[in-house]
Amino acid sequence: KAGVTQTPRYLIKTRGQQVTLSCSPISGHRSVSWYQQTPGQGLQFLFEYFSETQRNKGNFPGRFSGRQFSNSRSEMNVSTLELGDSALYLCASRVAAGTIYGYTFGSGTRLTVV
Amino acid sequence: AQTVTQSQPEMSVQEAETVTLSCTYDTSESDYYLFWYKQPPSRQMILVIRQEAYKQQNATENRFSVNFQKAAKSFSLKISDSQLGDAAMYFCAYANSGGGADGLTFGKGTHLIIQP
Repeated sequence: KAGVTQTPRYLIKTRGQQVTLSCSPISGHRSVSWYQQTPGQGLQFLFEYFSETQRNKGNFPGRFSGRQFSNSRSEMNVSTLELGDSALYLCASRVAAGTIYGYTFGSGTRLTVV
Repeated sequence: AQTVTQSQPEMSVQEAETVTLSCTYDTSESDYYLFWYKQPPSRQMILVIRQEAYKQQNATENRFSVNFQKAAKSFSLKISDSQLGDAAMYFCAYANSGGGADGLTFGKGTHLIIQP
Protein backbone atom coordinates (compact mmCIF):
# COMPACT_ATOMS: atom_id res chain seq x y z
CA LYS A 1 0.00 0.00 0.00
CA ALA A 2 1.55 3.30 -1.07
CA GLY A 3 2.14 5.87 1.66
CA VAL A 4 1.33 9.54 1.72
CA THR A 5 3.03 11.24 -1.23
CA GLN A 6 4.05 14.87 -1.16
CA THR A 7 5.41 16.76 -4.12
CA PRO A 8 7.71 18.44 -4.70
CA ARG A 9 10.25 17.37 -2.11
CA TYR A 10 12.18 20.63 -2.25
CA LEU A 11 11.21 24.07 -3.48
CA ILE A 12 12.95 27.44 -3.62
CA LYS A 13 10.84 30.53 -4.17
CA THR A 14 11.37 34.28 -4.09
CA ARG A 15 9.60 36.65 -1.70
CA GLY A 16 6.28 37.79 -3.10
CA GLN A 17 5.74 34.71 -5.24
CA GLN A 18 3.11 32.09 -4.60
CA VAL A 19 3.53 28.35 -4.26
CA THR A 20 1.35 25.25 -4.46
CA LEU A 21 2.19 22.03 -2.65
CA SER A 22 0.53 18.70 -3.35
CA CYS A 23 -0.39 15.76 -1.14
CA SER A 24 -1.78 12.39 -2.21
CA PRO A 25 -3.15 10.44 0.76
CA ILE A 26 -3.10 6.72 1.30
CA SER A 27 -5.72 5.01 -0.83
CA GLY A 28 -8.99 4.95 1.09
CA HIS A 29 -8.03 7.80 3.41
CA ARG A 30 -10.49 10.65 3.10
CA SER A 31 -9.07 13.10 5.60
CA VAL A 32 -5.98 15.19 4.90
CA SER A 33 -4.35 17.68 7.23
CA TRP A 34 -1.37 20.01 6.78
CA TYR A 35 1.30 21.09 9.24
CA GLN A 36 4.10 23.64 9.15
CA GLN A 37 7.35 22.70 10.88
CA THR A 38 9.95 25.36 11.72
CA PRO A 39 12.85 25.34 14.19
CA GLY A 40 11.33 28.23 16.13
CA GLN A 41 7.64 27.38 16.24
CA GLY A 42 7.83 23.62 15.95
CA LEU A 43 4.93 21.77 14.35
CA GLN A 44 1.79 23.81 13.85
CA PHE A 45 -1.57 22.71 12.46
CA LEU A 46 -2.55 24.52 9.28
CA PHE A 47 -5.86 22.95 8.23
CA GLU A 48 -7.76 19.71 7.74
CA TYR A 49 -9.91 18.63 4.84
CA PHE A 50 -12.51 15.91 4.70
CA SER A 51 -14.71 15.16 1.71
CA GLU A 52 -13.51 18.29 -0.08
CA THR A 53 -14.51 20.53 2.85
CA GLN A 54 -12.17 22.41 5.15
CA ARG A 55 -13.12 21.35 8.66
CA ASN A 56 -10.81 23.59 10.59
CA LYS A 57 -7.92 25.98 10.17
CA GLY A 58 -5.08 26.83 12.51
CA ASN A 59 -3.85 30.29 13.40
CA PHE A 60 -2.40 31.24 10.03
CA PRO A 61 -3.08 34.27 7.84
CA GLY A 62 -5.34 34.14 4.83
CA ARG A 63 -2.30 33.82 2.55
CA PHE A 64 -2.39 30.13 3.46
CA SER A 65 -5.17 28.25 1.74
CA GLY A 66 -5.92 24.77 0.57
CA ARG A 67 -8.36 22.53 -1.15
CA GLN A 68 -9.21 18.87 -1.50
CA PHE A 69 -10.33 17.13 -4.65
CA SER A 70 -12.89 14.37 -5.10
CA ASN A 71 -10.11 11.75 -5.12
CA SER A 72 -8.98 13.05 -1.69
CA ARG A 73 -5.78 14.57 -3.04
CA SER A 74 -5.08 17.91 -1.45
CA GLU A 75 -3.16 21.03 -2.34
CA MET A 76 -2.09 23.90 -0.20
CA ASN A 77 -1.26 27.32 -1.54
CA VAL A 78 0.74 30.14 -0.02
CA SER A 79 0.49 33.51 -1.71
CA THR A 80 2.77 36.52 -1.37
CA LEU A 81 5.54 34.46 0.17
CA GLU A 82 7.52 35.86 3.10
CA LEU A 83 10.92 34.78 4.37
CA GLY A 84 9.21 33.42 7.47
CA ASP A 85 7.25 30.96 5.37
CA SER A 86 10.43 28.92 4.91
CA ALA A 87 9.60 25.62 6.55
CA LEU A 88 8.97 21.93 6.16
CA TYR A 89 5.34 21.41 5.20
CA LEU A 90 3.98 18.04 6.22
CA CYS A 91 0.79 16.43 5.07
CA ALA A 92 -0.99 13.68 6.99
CA SER A 93 -3.89 11.46 6.07
CA ARG A 94 -6.27 9.26 8.04
CA VAL A 95 -9.21 7.07 7.20
CA ALA A 96 -12.09 9.37 8.10
CA ALA A 97 -13.62 11.50 10.78
CA GLY A 98 -14.41 9.67 13.98
CA THR A 99 -12.06 7.43 15.95
CA ILE A 100 -8.52 8.56 15.44
CA TYR A 101 -6.35 5.54 14.86
CA GLY A 102 -3.43 7.65 13.85
CA TYR A 103 -2.30 10.04 11.21
CA THR A 104 0.06 8.80 8.50
CA PHE A 105 2.50 11.46 7.41
CA GLY A 106 4.32 12.10 4.18
CA SER A 107 7.99 13.06 3.98
CA GLY A 108 7.16 16.72 3.53
CA THR A 109 8.03 19.53 1.17
CA ARG A 110 10.98 21.69 2.19
CA LEU A 111 10.14 25.26 1.11
CA THR A 112 12.86 27.89 1.12
CA VAL A 113 11.92 31.51 0.48
CA VAL A 114 14.78 33.78 -0.58
CA ALA B 1 -6.56 25.53 23.70
CA GLN B 2 -4.53 22.45 24.39
CA THR B 3 -0.80 22.57 25.00
CA VAL B 4 1.85 19.85 24.98
CA THR B 5 5.16 20.24 26.77
CA GLN B 6 8.29 18.17 26.34
CA SER B 7 10.81 19.36 28.88
CA GLN B 8 13.81 17.43 27.57
CA PRO B 9 15.24 19.00 24.39
CA GLU B 10 17.83 16.22 24.16
CA MET B 11 18.42 12.82 25.73
CA SER B 12 21.32 10.44 25.34
CA VAL B 13 21.35 6.71 26.15
CA GLN B 14 23.70 3.81 25.65
CA GLU B 15 22.69 1.17 23.15
CA ALA B 16 20.68 -1.63 24.81
CA GLU B 17 19.76 0.57 27.77
CA THR B 18 16.31 1.93 28.65
CA VAL B 19 15.32 5.57 28.26
CA THR B 20 12.19 7.49 29.21
CA LEU B 21 11.00 10.60 27.39
CA SER B 22 8.67 12.95 29.25
CA CYS B 23 5.54 14.69 28.05
CA THR B 24 2.89 16.69 29.87
CA TYR B 25 -0.19 18.23 28.38
CA ASP B 26 -2.99 20.53 29.32
CA THR B 27 -6.60 20.11 28.28
CA SER B 28 -10.07 20.62 29.67
CA GLU B 29 -11.39 17.66 27.67
CA SER B 30 -12.06 14.27 29.24
CA ASP B 31 -11.80 12.23 26.07
CA TYR B 32 -8.83 12.58 23.76
CA TYR B 33 -5.93 10.74 22.14
CA LEU B 34 -2.22 10.93 22.78
CA PHE B 35 0.54 9.89 20.43
CA TRP B 36 4.28 9.57 20.22
CA TYR B 37 5.76 10.18 16.79
CA LYS B 38 9.34 9.61 15.67
CA GLN B 39 10.98 11.82 13.04
CA PRO B 40 14.28 10.49 11.69
CA PRO B 41 16.47 12.56 9.33
CA SER B 42 14.31 11.33 6.44
CA ARG B 43 11.73 13.83 7.84
CA GLN B 44 8.75 11.47 7.75
CA MET B 45 6.79 11.39 11.00
CA ILE B 46 6.32 7.77 12.06
CA LEU B 47 3.68 6.77 14.60
CA VAL B 48 5.32 4.97 17.51
CA ILE B 49 2.42 4.45 19.89
CA ARG B 50 -1.10 5.67 20.55
CA GLN B 51 -3.17 5.96 23.75
CA GLU B 52 -6.88 6.63 24.15
CA ALA B 53 -7.63 8.67 27.25
CA TYR B 54 -10.60 6.55 28.31
CA LYS B 55 -8.39 3.45 28.50
CA GLN B 56 -6.62 3.04 31.82
CA GLN B 57 -4.27 0.38 30.51
CA ASN B 58 -0.98 1.72 29.23
CA ALA B 59 -0.29 1.09 25.55
CA THR B 60 2.68 -1.05 24.50
CA GLU B 61 4.23 -1.74 21.12
CA ASN B 62 7.14 -4.16 21.29
CA ARG B 63 10.04 -2.25 22.94
CA PHE B 64 7.94 0.91 23.32
CA SER B 65 5.55 1.52 26.18
CA VAL B 66 3.89 4.51 27.78
CA ASN B 67 3.11 5.58 31.30
CA PHE B 68 -0.20 7.42 31.01
CA GLN B 69 -1.21 9.33 34.13
CA LYS B 70 -4.50 11.04 33.26
CA ALA B 71 -4.93 12.94 36.52
CA ALA B 72 -1.41 14.30 36.30
CA LYS B 73 -1.77 14.89 32.54
CA SER B 74 1.45 13.05 31.92
CA PHE B 75 2.31 10.74 29.03
CA SER B 76 5.88 9.44 29.05
CA LEU B 77 7.45 7.07 26.53
CA LYS B 78 9.76 4.27 27.61
CA ILE B 79 12.08 2.71 25.07
CA SER B 80 13.61 -0.57 26.21
CA ASP B 81 16.73 -2.18 24.73
CA SER B 82 17.57 0.99 22.78
CA GLN B 83 18.85 0.43 19.27
CA LEU B 84 20.87 2.68 16.96
CA GLY B 85 17.83 2.95 14.71
CA ASP B 86 15.89 4.57 17.53
CA ALA B 87 17.95 7.75 17.17
CA ALA B 88 15.57 10.50 16.02
CA MET B 89 13.42 13.41 17.15
CA TYR B 90 10.47 12.23 19.22
CA PHE B 91 7.30 14.27 19.36
CA CYS B 92 4.44 13.91 21.80
CA ALA B 93 1.09 14.88 20.28
CA TYR B 94 -2.49 15.41 21.42
CA ALA B 95 -5.76 15.16 19.50
CA ASN B 96 -9.27 15.87 20.67
CA SER B 97 -11.84 13.17 20.20
CA GLY B 98 -14.76 14.36 18.14
CA GLY B 99 -13.40 13.68 14.73
CA GLY B 100 -9.98 15.26 14.86
CA ALA B 101 -10.93 18.41 13.00
CA ASP B 102 -8.56 20.37 15.23
CA GLY B 103 -5.61 18.32 14.07
CA LEU B 104 -2.69 17.35 16.25
CA THR B 105 -1.06 19.58 18.84
CA PHE B 106 2.62 18.76 19.13
CA GLY B 107 5.28 19.30 21.74
CA LYS B 108 8.62 20.83 20.75
CA GLY B 109 10.28 17.45 20.55
CA THR B 110 13.11 15.52 22.21
CA HIS B 111 16.24 14.69 20.27
CA LEU B 112 17.22 11.13 21.23
CA ILE B 113 20.85 10.15 20.78
CA ILE B 114 21.88 6.50 20.99
CA GLN B 115 25.51 5.96 22.01
CA PRO B 116 27.03 2.75 20.56
